[in-house]
Amino acid sequence: EAGVAQSPRYKIIEKRQSVAFWCNPISGHATLYWYQQILGQGPKLLIQFQNNGVVDDSQLPKDRFSAERLKGVDSTLKIQPAKLEDSAVYLCASSLAGPTGGYTFGSGTRLTVV
Amino acid sequence: KNEVEQSPQNLTAQEGEFITINCSYSVGISALHWLQQHPGGGIVSLFMLSSGKKKHGRLIATINIQEKHSSLHITASHPRDSAVYICAVLSGNTPLVFGKGTRLSVIA
Repeated sequence: EAGVAQSPRYKIIEKRQSVAFWCNPISGHATLYWYQQILGQGPKLLIQFQNNGVVDDSQLPKDRFSAERLKGVDSTLKIQPAKLEDSAVYLCASSLAGPTGGYTFGSGTRLTVV
Repeated sequence: KNEVEQSPQNLTAQEGEFITINCSYSVGISALHWLQQHPGGGIVSLFMLSSGKKKHGRLIATINIQEKHSSLHITASHPRDSAVYICAVLSGNTPLVFGKGTRLSVIA
């Protein structure tokens, strides 16, 4: 089975610029997660989708971050405008049946804001 | 909220050594994940367990629910095992709570 696809793998932008990340989950996985992992820390959940609806976005900095999953499949995460502290790996994961199912993670996008 | 602590933070081992990474958590859980993260950033799920012990190749994961503790063991370690190993716990239907990871370096 194909894994969770993410792109780009790496991105370098200047502060105040915008950036978007894309995720294609495993086919049939209804639940999709975006995580932010700052160097030296564990991943932090930004947003969880169930199909195309948001289940949890309590830790998403909504003044600058947005995410969508319009057709309940692919998802995009956008940062506008970026700050230096947004430098991190952004991980996408999907699961078949919510948090109690097994997770499959993507390769991540490493963002550097300069 | 569950607090997840891993130890050690960093570990350097000689090839062939037996390695143990520990994970403790503060609140009862329904499942615990062991994850492997390579330098590129991608994460691979190694185990998901809720009781007892699981084995896959040279990797063994154990969990003691009463003591709120899990261990990941690597037998006959190899340089390709070098990675960050992350413990993550699940309580009910809340999001995964991750530890900060253990950075393992295996030297030939």
